[in-house]
Amino acid sequence: EAQVTQNPRYLITVTGKKLTVTCSQNMNHEYMSWYRQDPGLGLRQIYYSMNVEVTDKGDVPEGYKVSRKEKRNFPLILESPSPNQTSLYFCASSLLFRPSLPKNIQYFGAGTRLSVL
Amino acid sequence: QKEVEQNSGPLSVPEGAIASLNCTYSDRVSQSFFWYRQYSGKSPELIMSIYSNGDKEDGRFTAQLNKASQYVSLLIRDSQPSDSATYLCAASPNSGYALNFGKGTSLLVTP
Repeated sequence: EAQVTQNPRYLITVTGKKLTVTCSQNMNHEYMSWYRQDPGLGLRQIYYSMNVEVTDKGDVPEGYKVSRKEKRNFPLILESPSPNQTSLYFCASSLLFRPSLPKNIQYFGAGTRLSVL
Repeated sequence: QKEVEQNSGPLSVPEGAIASLNCTYSDRVSQSFFWYRQYSGKSPELIMSIYSNGDKEDGRFTAQLNKASQYVSLLIRDSQPSDSATYLCAASPNSGYALNFGKGTSLLVTP
């Protein structure tokens, strides 16, 4: 089954304690992305990756790091979490354009609800 | 700024009615447009995509695109209580791997 898997689904932590949210996809997608979603602010992109070892900042990258060492994995790292990073996080993936394929669909993981105390 | 604008709602419609959701976008290079449905606390789920001017129908859903007016809409016919959710409009400058999301419109279908 095609899927994007995020772990953990729920996390409560304290300010300053480093954490990693993992994201893995089994569809051989080149493009992967992290979003955060906050009430009234919608989905905002944190970081994205076009392929292995290629990452770039989205709209709200401050306080986050990512890596793309393998095609299937795209972990989100919070080196020193702060309460303003309390949010619902989504990982997503899609193919880059192929002329022979229909237009892309972006697949989302189930989400990680993070609370930083 | 690549903005996608939606009325936040809530939009309330009675069961069986047509729900009309609207979206405007500012980036004229946008090529692909998507409607996602999101239930509270759940991940967005793609329900429609549209790439050319005009209408595209899929079951009870019809997406409409007018690139000259930079306007996208979603019609839901025979609305059901299970359609109650937030609907996210997204625009992409490419085939759809990079998405600019609106903040969503909350739809409430009342029995």
